[in-house]
Amino acid sequence: DTAVSQTPKYLVTQMGNDKSIKCEQNLGHDTMYWYKQDSKKFLKIMFSYNNKELIINETVPNRFSPKSPDKAHLNLHINSLELGDSAVYFCASSHSAGANTGELFFGEGSRLTVL
Amino acid sequence: QKEVEQNSGPLSVPEGAIASLNCTYSDRGSQSFFWYRQYSGKSPELIMFIYSNGDKEDGRFTAQLNKASQYVSLLIRDSQPSDSATYLCAVPTYTNSGYALNFGKGTSLLVTP
Repeated sequence: DTAVSQTPKYLVTQMGNDKSIKCEQNLGHDTMYWYKQDSKKFLKIMFSYNNKELIINETVPNRFSPKSPDKAHLNLHINSLELGDSAVYFCASSHSAGANTGELFFGEGSRLTVL
Repeated sequence: QKEVEQNSGPLSVPEGAIASLNCTYSDRGSQSFFWYRQYSGKSPELIMFIYSNGDKEDGRFTAQLNKASQYVSLLIRDSQPSDSATYLCAVPTYTNSGYALNFGKGTSLLVTP
């Protein structure tokens, strides 16, 4: 059984389109995250939800909107896609969201290419 | 902006040698430190964590922490070609409203047969 699963794994789309990525975890974790990894492999936090509540919203354009219908799911919707949005988007989960939380379980990533 | 710094490499070592990967962090209040390994095209996976000053060993891996110098390192003994990957140092950092794991840019390790 896959612990953290994301769909789709690959997205190729045109500038200006809207797309969504879905994530589900079956680990019973309370906290879920979206990270973006750019072409230089830099992994940067975008959002974090704890038990369906948004707790971290980094400096991300308003075109990105996360949604957590329940604590096992975290989706990411992107409006009006731009070339610079091309990246690998990783979903992750952890047991809690405290100061020593460092054990993250990552999904396989969703590679978004904007043409 | 609280930083986690690593040399991007690539660091090339021969098979059987010790690979030494280094990381510095800017937040003096940080209490815990994590090393992730990421193979090309795959997701990061946790391999080590350390909370206390000194060394922590797990198999061929040793994490070393010096809080006074704000320095954490990862040693890989008897390096194998299968260790070739990018190693990411990560530190929980308080952002605008909660803690998130803040990653360095990673060091690419190549172990040559």
